[in-house]
Amino acid sequence: EAGVTQSPTHLIKTRGQQATLRCSPISGHTSVYWYQQALGLGLQFLLWYDEGEERNRGNFPPRFSGRQFPNYSSELNVNALELEDSALYLCASSLEVGTGANVLTFGAGSRLTVL
Amino acid sequence: QQQVKQSPQSLIVQKGGISIINCAYENTAFDYFPWYQQFPGKGPALLIAIRPDVSEKKEGRFTISFNKSAKQFSLHIMDSQPGDSATYFCAATPGEASKIIFGSGTRLSIRP
Repeated sequence: EAGVTQSPTHLIKTRGQQATLRCSPISGHTSVYWYQQALGLGLQFLLWYDEGEERNRGNFPPRFSGRQFPNYSSELNVNALELEDSALYLCASSLEVGTGANVLTFGAGSRLTVL
Repeated sequence: QQQVKQSPQSLIVQKGGISIINCAYENTAFDYFPWYQQFPGKGPALLIAIRPDVSEKKEGRFTISFNKSAKQFSLHIMDSQPGDSATYFCAATPGEASKIIFGSGTRLSIRP
């Protein structure tokens, strides 16, 4: 069974540009989560999508946005890039929602560097 | 109240020793406590998890100890090996995955 796949692996952009990151969840998983992991720091929750709808959002500005497609894949868009957006962006998927035993399965991440 | 406090930030242990990472929480609504292991260049992977109705869970060399009254839980790695060198995150959730709160992480290095 294929795991959570993310692309691209690495992305280099300059300030003010837009970045698009993509995620394919585990087959059968309907929920997709995005996290930001800045260098040396922890996991900051960005967005949660389920059944094509944005269900929850972390404490990030509106220039962080995304969507989930009918096949449950997702993309994360970051507009007007700033230097501090440089980070590892992790996508995770899960099957069950609200069961109390919800396991997140993470992808390997996309490393975004803003110059 | 939503925080999960993790310590230490970094830890160096000799091969064969015991690695101990501690976490504390405030929200009594948390009822599922997973630990994730992250190797460099990889995403975090679920290592072991516990519910508050048990005080200990063991899987191989990895053990979670849970103290509900103190609202603390810890990860013990017995006979630590160089391959255990990674960043470890504790986490807690009241039920919904989107409400998972992660600790700040512990960078563990096992010296040969």
